[in-house]
Amino acid sequence: QVHLVESGGGVVQPGRSLRLSCAASGFSFSRFGFHWVRQAPGKGLEWVAIIWYDGSKEYYADSVRGRFIISRDDSKNTLYLEMNSLRAEDTAVYYCARDRFTYHMDYWGQGTLVTVSS
Amino acid sequence: QSALTQPPSVSGSPGQSVTISCTGTSSDVGDYDRVSWYQQPPGTAPKLLIYEVNNRPSGVPDRFSGSKSGSTASLTISGLQAEDEADYYCSSYTTSHTFLIFGGGTKLTVV
Repeated sequence: QVHLVESGGGVVQPGRSLRLSCAASGFSFSRFGFHWVRQAPGKGLEWVAIIWYDGSKEYYADSVRGRFIISRDDSKNTLYLEMNSLRAEDTAVYYCARDRFTYHMDYWGQGTLVTVSS
Repeated sequence: QSALTQPPSVSGSPGQSVTISCTGTSSDVGDYDRVSWYQQPPGTAPKLLIYEVNNRPSGVPDRFSGSKSGSTASLTISGLQAEDEADYYCSSYTTSHTFLIFGGGTKLTVV
């Protein structure tokens, strides 16, 4: 059974950094790409980033490019999102999701809340 | 382009059908069949309903169907049930600045 579990969220001051993790189980992690998607309180979904199954490519939303870094550790079956220079508008629930090769997301985690506030 | 365009809300009675539209451009929906639909009941994570315009993952009832015409994709839900009340989002691969883009979401109310 596929499971994705995010962690690392919390309250952080503007300008600081935070790293989110997404632990995967129930499937062969190294065969899949992954996305991060966020949802600000009361708002819609916003795509954040994707990493290829082999880590060879990464793409980012305009709103986070240059500040966020997506990465993976296949030995730990874990996906990461390093978030730097955080802003109030980065406040959201962050979901990790598995990619199914045509850029749709077939499994999602339960999300972790990041609050950027002084 | 900041988001694909969806109606903010739609409603229908049990047993009826509703259609949710998702309008993009030639940079996304119009030129690529990488359109997906997601269902998000309140307080839960999104769930995949439709991928590649009109394909259903196993376990998704055939009451849910997808289609596309030009730069507009559509999700049709037939035989509405109370449990269908949720927010619905479309997404598409895009060649415009970013890589993937979501619609603004549509709240479905079953009255």
